[in-house]
Amino acid sequence: NAGVMQNPRHLVRRRGQEARLRCSPMKGHSHVYWYRQLPEEGLKFMVYLQKENIIDESGMPKERFSAEFPKEGPSILRIQQVVRGDSAAYFCASSPATGGYEQYFGPGTRLTVT
Amino acid sequence: DQQVKQNSPSLSVQEGRISILNCDYTNSMFDYFLWYKKYPAEGPTFLISISSIKDKNEDGRFTVFLNKSAKHLSLHIVPSQPGDSAVYFCAASVSSGYALNFGKGTSLLVTP
Repeated sequence: NAGVMQNPRHLVRRRGQEARLRCSPMKGHSHVYWYRQLPEEGLKFMVYLQKENIIDESGMPKERFSAEFPKEGPSILRIQQVVRGDSAAYFCASSPATGGYEQYFGPGTRLTVT
Repeated sequence: DQQVKQNSPSLSVQEGRISILNCDYTNSMFDYFLWYKKYPAEGPTFLISISSIKDKNEDGRFTVFLNKSAKHLSLHIVPSQPGDSAVYFCAASVSSGYALNFGKGTSLLVTP
């Protein structure tokens, strides 16, 4: 039973480019969450999605960031016109349901903006 | 604002002894608490959880204690092993919700 898959594991982008981070949840999980970890910080919630629906994006920066979880395929976190402050580890998690269930995390994508 | 706090950035314990990691929270709406373990360059791994209707939950060498009146929880690892060396994150949520609120983590080093 494969765990949460994320790719790429490492991504380097120049300022102004776009970054696309992919996440495939665990089999049987229909709830996907994205978190960001800045250096020396804990993980911060960004967005919660179900298939074809964004349920809560209250943790997402207002501009340049978007997320989707299409009917087919992985969830995508997209960052347009990246800036150095976007450099962080981005983790995806999934759960079989929400509310009182543990979330299982992928290995993360480490984004470096040069 | 940091609603979940882990005030000890690091902890060093000898192999075989007990490790106690502490966590405080400020939001009284939190009623579901989790501990995650994280190795460098990997994602957090779920360890153990507790709901606010309990004050203790045990799983093998790991026990979590919850003191709701003090808004405090702790993770006990007995006996500690060198493989337990990692960063431990405390997280909290509202069980009817979904966003996990994480502390900044405590780096545990278990020495032989």
